[in-house]
Amino acid sequence: AQSVTQPDIHITVSEGASLELRCNYSYGATPYLFWYVQSPGQGLQLLLKYFSGDTLVQGIKGFEAEFKRSQSSFNLRKPSVHWSDAAEYFCAGSGGSNYKLTFGKGTLLTVNP
Amino acid sequence: DVKVTQSSRYLVKRTGEKVFLECVQDMDHENMFWYRQDPGLGLRLIYFSYDVKMKEKGDIPEGYSVSREKKERFSLILESASTNQTSMYLCASRVGASNTEAFFGQGTRLTVV
Repeated sequence: AQSVTQPDIHITVSEGASLELRCNYSYGATPYLFWYVQSPGQGLQLLLKYFSGDTLVQGIKGFEAEFKRSQSSFNLRKPSVHWSDAAEYFCAGSGGSNYKLTFGKGTLLTVNP
Repeated sequence: DVKVTQSSRYLVKRTGEKVFLECVQDMDHENMFWYRQDPGLGLRLIYFSYDVKMKEKGDIPEGYSVSREKKERFSLILESASTNQTSMYLCASRVGASNTEAFFGQGTRLTVV
């Protein structure tokens, strides 16, 4: 079955530190992958997406993600975290002719001053 | 800008009531989705629709049905509300292709008492 897994439920980092949020996928073919962010009381906003080509994808707010087929991963990174990055982050996947869009369980990011 | 509008931000209903959650999008999108969001469980897909009158079950369809009579409107129906359906419900839409971004509404917080 097609699925997206986020192994980390909660991550805490200090402001200014680097960040990596993990996402693993299970799809028969190369999936289309997305990262969304949800700030408290807000809707979901797209950070970036991958569907083909360059495996390093740049997004908004200084985020990037790298698609690694050999590891079935699509990890989200940011070199220096800001307090305003505290939010919940969701990885999502969609595949081929199947329009279903599946989300992981999310990773809650806490940023310490 | 794409706008996905959910008819209510907060709803309180009684057990056994029939509940309608409405979602309207203004960008002529083919795909529409209903998710429920619960702490620790992420976004779980209830139903999705890839075109007018076309629908498919998601991962947790039990106790729910949907209706899509017009392209811009996708309704979620709780036939007989139960307390375990207390949750945040999110509607999303996107162009009819798996590699495109989904746009989300602000959500409906449903409480069943």
